[in-house]
Amino acid sequence: QKEVEQNSGPLSVPEGAIASLNCTYSDRGSQSFFWYRQYSGKSPELIMSIYSNGDKEDGRFTAQLNKASQYVSLLIRDSQPSDSATYLCAVNLNAGGTSYGKLTFGQGTILTVHP
Amino acid sequence: DARVTQTPRHKVTEMGQEVTMRCQPILGHNTVFWYRQTMMQGLELLAYFRNRAPLDDSGMPKDRFSAEMPDATLATLKIQPSEPRDSAVYFCASISALQGAWVDEQFFGPGTRLTVL
Repeated sequence: QKEVEQNSGPLSVPEGAIASLNCTYSDRGSQSFFWYRQYSGKSPELIMSIYSNGDKEDGRFTAQLNKASQYVSLLIRDSQPSDSATYLCAVNLNAGGTSYGKLTFGQGTILTVHP
Repeated sequence: DARVTQTPRHKVTEMGQEVTMRCQPILGHNTVFWYRQTMMQGLELLAYFRNRAPLDDSGMPKDRFSAEMPDATLATLKIQPSEPRDSAVYFCASISALQGAWVDEQFFGPGTRLTVL
């Protein structure tokens, strides 16, 4: 079992729809969770971080965390063609000591928003 | 505008040659990560440093890869000798991990696209 797993996709949604991206992780002790967006040929760009159970909203993006289920998701409302990218889930599997800040990434989900 | 910088942006070399990639972390960030990204393996952590000291290089092939931080503003990743399977995009990222002021959001550089023929 991979430490951080994402639906590989590709996920295709029409413009204006809600895109839902999912991620599960293996270590119950994980403390920090991140979503990165990566356009083709570019570097990963941080779009959301979440540390507590529940929802965190930032504009059209909502991150949801459920530590009991070891599940983190990203919702993109009113999807736009410019949201088409690969979305990477990243988890700090062990936030203690020297491993602070060390992230494990999922394989990424390719999202395509078509007009 | 604080950002991580990497040089070179592109490198094409022949098998057996030495390759050196450089990274300048965001000023004030004391932790630097090196990643490699390929289509097959995704984004893999190779090594990381805190306050210039190596903390973990278990993701790095030891026989040909080496990573160093000669000073707080420069991290290097060296491959010697290079092989075609090393072709990938190499990213550097940094965070500030100071006691009492930890911020664990990683900021990535633009990457070095390496092609080994």
